[in-house]
Amino acid sequence: AQSVSQHNHHVILSEAASLELGCNYSYGGTVNLFWYVQYPGQHLQLLLKYFSGDPLVKGIKGFEAEFIKSKFSFNLRKPSVQWSDTAEYFCAVNPTSGTYKYIFGTGTRLKVLA
Amino acid sequence: DVKVTQSSRYLVKRTGEKVFLECVQDMDHENMFWYRQDPGLGLRLIYFSYDVKMKEKGDIPEGYSVSREKKERFSLILESASTNQTSMYLCASSPPPGQGDNSPLHFGNGTRLTVT
Repeated sequence: AQSVSQHNHHVILSEAASLELGCNYSYGGTVNLFWYVQYPGQHLQLLLKYFSGDPLVKGIKGFEAEFIKSKFSFNLRKPSVQWSDTAEYFCAVNPTSGTYKYIFGTGTRLKVLA
Repeated sequence: DVKVTQSSRYLVKRTGEKVFLECVQDMDHENMFWYRQDPGLGLRLIYFSYDVKMKEKGDIPEGYSVSREKKERFSLILESASTNQTSMYLCASSPPPGQGDNSPLHFGNGTRLTVT
């Protein structure tokens, strides 16, 4: 079955620390990849997306993610986190062949200490 | 900007009640989705619809049904609410793959349902 794994469930960092959140998926075909963020009390918002082309994609608020096809990974990075990055982060996969389904990981709760 | 509106932010219902959760989107999107979000489990797809009157089961459809009579509206129905359906319910919409600006899912604010 198709699945998305986020190995870090809770991450606590100090401001200015670097962030990397792991995301791996299991699907043999072509996929679209996404990271969504949910700030406290707010709805899920798109952080960045990968459809094709350059495997290093940049999103909003200084986030970036790298698609490594051989590793089935799409890790999220930010060189220097801020207190306002405290949120829950979800990786999602959308297989491109004939399905409208989006498969989500279990999420990573990030807490940034001021 | 796409707007997905869920009719209630918080809802408290009793076991056995029939519950309707409503969702409306204003961007003429073909696809609409209902997810439930639980701590440690992420988002799990309940049902989705890719056209009016069309629906497909997601990963956890048991105990739920849906209705899509109009393109902009997608309703989730709990036929007989149970305590294990206490959760946050998220509605989302998207255009078909390859259309528009390849925008992915747009989410509503969620409905936190408590079944007592």
